[in-house]
Amino acid sequence: AQSVTQLGSHVSVSEGALVLLRCNYSSSVPPYLFWYVQYPNQGLQLLLKYTSAATLVKGINGFEAEFKKSETSFHLTKPSAHMSDAAEYFCAVSAFKAAGNKLTFGGGTRVLVKP
Amino acid sequence: DVKVTQSSRYLVKRTGEKVFLECVQDMDHENMFWYRQDPGLGLRLIYFSYDVKMKEKGDIPEGYSVSREKKERFSLILESASTNQTSMYLCASSLKLLQGDYEQYFGPGTRLTVT
Repeated sequence: AQSVTQLGSHVSVSEGALVLLRCNYSSSVPPYLFWYVQYPNQGLQLLLKYTSAATLVKGINGFEAEFKKSETSFHLTKPSAHMSDAAEYFCAVSAFKAAGNKLTFGGGTRVLVKP
Repeated sequence: DVKVTQSSRYLVKRTGEKVFLECVQDMDHENMFWYRQDPGLGLRLIYFSYDVKMKEKGDIPEGYSVSREKKERFSLILESASTNQTSMYLCASSLKLLQGDYEQYFGPGTRLTVT
């Protein structure tokens, strides 16, 4: 069974500062990992995904994440926060079966950006 | 662009009512999913479907059922709504695993309040 832990349910950063959101996973098979973002009153939108190619994955809006197998981590970073980055972020791991790609989500991290 | 639409953004129902939540996708995706989202718990999978008339239980199916009569439409049914089913409900769709696209596309969500 897969599981995902996101450290910190709330993160506050200043505009222009580094954004670092932590995600650790457990999986009995090689995982596929995702970061999604949810803006207020909207559904989830894919930021980036790791599917066993490069371990450093670049996504939309300047975000990137690094897959570290030894640490079972997939932390999300952005060098310089923008006010528009205020949202909730979800890390997810995929459990592949013949019938489909179910996702297991972490509890989410809400990001507040201070001017 | 993939579009996943949900029939209502907000719903208020009374305890014991039968509730239907509808989801439609326009990208000919085989897989469709229903999640509920609660603060601190992230998204939890209720049911998913990998083909017309096919369904599989997710992590929290109790109190819910689903119907998929057409490929583009996936319905979530609360047979007898209870207050603990007050939540945000998100629908998602994706291509089937072997086609190589692991991303799930989400609708905007339905916020259901049961009083």
